Amino acid sequence: DIQMTQSPSTLSASVGDRVTITCRASQSISTWLAWYQQKPGKAPNLLIHKASNLESGVPSRFNGSGSGTEFTLTISSLQPEDLATYYCQEYNTYSPAFGQGTKVELK
Amino acid sequence: QVTLKESGPALVKPTQTLTLTCAFSGFSFRASGMRVSWIRQPPGKALEWLARIDGDDERFYNTALRTRLTVSKDTSKNQVVLTMTNMDPVDTATYYCAFGSYFRVWGPGTLVTVSA
Repeated sequence: DIQMTQSPSTLSASVGDRVTITCRASQSISTWLAWYQQKPGKAPNLLIHKASNLESGVPSRFNGSGSGTEFTLTISSLQPEDLATYYCQEYNTYSPAFGQGTKVELK
Repeated sequence: QVTLKESGPALVKPTQTLTLTCAFSGFSFRASGMRVSWIRQPPGKALEWLARIDGDDERFYNTALRTRLTVSKDTSKNQVVLTMTNMDPVDTATYYCAFGSYFRVWGPGTLVTVSA
């Protein structure tokens, strides 16, 4: 099975900061990668699929990039409503795997 | 517009079998490429994919849990059912159903607590 590793586990930032989260796959997944945002008590919300395709309605300050085994999610200017936990997920296999999550909090 | 909603017991005892239902609308399994997965999340922990069923009735399971899981669908009722046997307190989690290969639509989730 593929293992997905996110870093950092927690990220402290200020409003307006540029924020970058990294996700690494244990083997190549091409661009079969999605990113989700989850707020407390809520189901995850899809932000990006196929590594860089922004889901309809998601603000353009969110950007995904990467291919193969290394991927990044960037928030160009952190907003208060972006405080949440972010997960990557590969869907290259029949047993899709999530990363362990990155919690974005206010500095 | 695709919607999903999970239902099932809030509390199960250790060793019991859990049965959860995902009621959906906005798509038909008869259409090509339709698929529904089950995903869980223990309190304060990460998401874990459990199982998937496709419109052609192909089924896929989490490698570590496959002996305990069964996923099925009732196309006439627009439902997907997950059973998990031999429940343990470590299986306490919010259980979600979700639509697609990447999960564009999620149900709100249902919290299942395993306790004697």
